Amino acid sequence: SQKIEQNSEALNIQEGKTATLTCNYTNYSPAYLQWYRQDPGRGPVFLLLIRENEKEKRKERLKVTFDTTLKQSLFHITASQPADSATYLCALDYGNNRLAFGKGNQVVVIP
Amino acid sequence: EAQVTQNPRYLITVTGKKLTVTCSQNMNHEYMSWYRQDPGLGLRQIYYSMNVEVTDKGDVPEGYKVSRKEKRNFPLILESPSPNQTSLYFCASSFTGGNQPQHFGDGTRLSIL
Repeated sequence: SQKIEQNSEALNIQEGKTATLTCNYTNYSPAYLQWYRQDPGRGPVFLLLIRENEKEKRKERLKVTFDTTLKQSLFHITASQPADSATYLCALDYGNNRLAFGKGNQVVVIP
Repeated sequence: EAQVTQNPRYLITVTGKKLTVTCSQNMNHEYMSWYRQDPGLGLRQIYYSMNVEVTDKGDVPEGYKVSRKEKRNFPLILESPSPNQTSLYFCASSFTGGNQPQHFGDGTRLSIL
């Protein structure tokens, strides 16, 4: 069956360090992979999109990689700040314009 | 301001009483969709629409209906709500499809007693 896996345990990280989150998928062949941020009680907010022929994408302190051989995406927040504390979701398209989301990975940045 | 607006934000109702959750976007997006978010299950797609009068089932369509009579609106209809539809619902839109950045509303928390 199709599956998207994100670490269910919260990532606690010291301010200023780099947070790295993993998104693994099975039985999908996405052409695109997206990352979103979700704060409690709010809708997800789009952060980055990476295509299957792109290895890496950056936006300010954020970096995403996409390895279609490993079926994995890594999401990095460099120089993390307390305001980065949130849940981060990966999402991928799986044909017919449908989008599947992982369950999310919580990040807590400790001052 | 570009936004996706859902109403109501909160609703407590009883089993069997038909309800509609409205969703409107002001970005001229062609693609709209509905998700439900449950603890431990994440976001799951209910229905999506590629354009006016075009709707398709997502992963969990049972018990829901949608319509897309106008480009900006995509209401979610629960004809006979049941307690297992208690959830947090999100509407989202994008320019042309699920492979593009999605703009989400702030959510509707539904409680079916």
